[in-house]
Amino acid sequence: GEDVEQSLFLSVREGDSSVINCTYTDSSSTYLYWYKQEPGAGLQLLTYIFSNMDMKQDQRLTVLLNKKDKHLSLRIADTQTGDSAIYFCAEGQGAQKLVFGQGTRLTINP
Amino acid sequence: DAMVIQNPRYQVTQFGKPVTLSCSQTLNHNVMYWYQQKSSQAPKLLFHYYDKDFNNEADTPDNFQSRRPNTSFCFLDIRSPGLGDAAMYLCATSRSPGLATDTQYFGPGTRLTVL
Repeated sequence: GEDVEQSLFLSVREGDSSVINCTYTDSSSTYLYWYKQEPGAGLQLLTYIFSNMDMKQDQRLTVLLNKKDKHLSLRIADTQTGDSAIYFCAEGQGAQKLVFGQGTRLTINP
Repeated sequence: DAMVIQNPRYQVTQFGKPVTLSCSQTLNHNVMYWYQQKSSQAPKLLFHYYDKDFNNEADTPDNFQSRRPNTSFCFLDIRSPGLGDAAMYLCATSRSPGLATDTQYFGPGTRLTVL
């Protein structure tokens, strides 16, 4: 079945870049998503990438997709304390059947 | 602002006492979803409604039921909560289940505690 894997924790210094990695198994996924969840809150869509793209940039966020290796990454430039959250990778063929990873907890050190 | 609203944000119930969680949306989306999220885990889809059509996930326990009386509202009923049902329950909406360009919009969640 479909599976999405992420490392559980990442700690970076304020101002550095954060890179959160994700691997997935379903090669038929059309879109891959990154969601952010702040403490006590729901999931907020950060960005997504279509499966025929290699890269997408949106302000401080850069998404890289290696379809051959089924590897997705999210890079956050100039990481700030407000970026502290859990980041979920998700794959799907549209909105209906999203499969989420376990989430990576990003901690920012001063 | 158009949004997905969940009430209450925190719910405490007793073991075996039925509980209902509420979700409403002002997005006029066709699809509404309910997820269960336990600590340090991915959200797990329980079921979704596409308009009035109910779609249950195969591994969702019978203890969990849902109602959608109109486009705006959707309820999650837990008939006999057990200790293992303590979790965050997330409601989400999307315009359509089939559009590749669509995505899901989440509410803030209801944290359920079972005593």
